[in-house]
Amino acid sequence: GQQLNQSPQSMFIQEGEDVSMNCTSSSIFNTWLWYKQDPGEGPVLLIALYKAGELTSNGRLTAQFGITRKDSFLNISASIPSDVGIYFCAGQGSSGDKLTFGTGTRLAVRP
Amino acid sequence: EAGVVQSPRYKIIEKKQPVAFWCNPISGHNTLYWYRQNLGQGPELLIRYENEEAVDDSQLPKDRFSAERLKGVDSTLKIQPAELGDSAVYLCASSLNEKLFFGSGTQLSVL
Repeated sequence: GQQLNQSPQSMFIQEGEDVSMNCTSSSIFNTWLWYKQDPGEGPVLLIALYKAGELTSNGRLTAQFGITRKDSFLNISASIPSDVGIYFCAGQGSSGDKLTFGTGTRLAVRP
Repeated sequence: EAGVVQSPRYKIIEKKQPVAFWCNPISGHNTLYWYRQNLGQGPELLIRYENEEAVDDSQLPKDRFSAERLKGVDSTLKIQPAELGDSAVYLCASSLNEKLFFGSGTQLSVL
C-alpha cells in the first residue's frame, strides 16, 4: 500500500541537539498526525494538526502542517536519551478516509 | 483509563497453521482498526470497523484473513493458513475523533 516519504530515514545525534524531520505526500491531506514508536510497543500519538499552516507544540516537540497540505514537519528541541525511537507521520484526506503512515524516521541519541 | 489491549504479545507458529489475535479497544471508541506493520515500515491498514460493521476491508487478504467484531467492542483477527510472509506485528487501534490510539501489538513469527 501507499506510504508517505519521511526524511531522514535515520538520525544519530548528540544529547541536547535539536532535531528536524519531515514527511511528504503526493496527495493533499486535511489531517496530519505524528506518532512515536518505542521497541515492542505500538505507536503513541504526539501531535495532531488539522489546518494548513498550523503550528502546534507539545513540550519540546513542535509540528507544522505545510501550506501546500502535502507535507508536515516535526522538530524536537534539546533532545534527551528518551527521545530515542521511530517517529511516524500519518496523513488523512477527508474525514472517514484511512490514515496513511510514513516510512518512519529512526532517532538515536548519544548521551 | 485503560488503553487498547491486545493478546497475545508474541506468537510463533509453523506455516500452514491457523492463528488468531484478540483486541479490546478503549471504552467508548466505536471505531476499531487492525494494522499490519512489517519490519522497518509504517503500519498499513487491514480493516476498519465502525461498531460491528466493517467499513473498509479493501486491504484485507480475504483468501486467508478474516476478522470479526460481533458486539461492536472486542475484535479478533484470524489467519488461516499462515504463510511465511505473514510474519509481522499486528496492531489494533481504536479512535475517537479520528485520533488513533494503538495497542502494543502481537508479534507474529511464521516458521
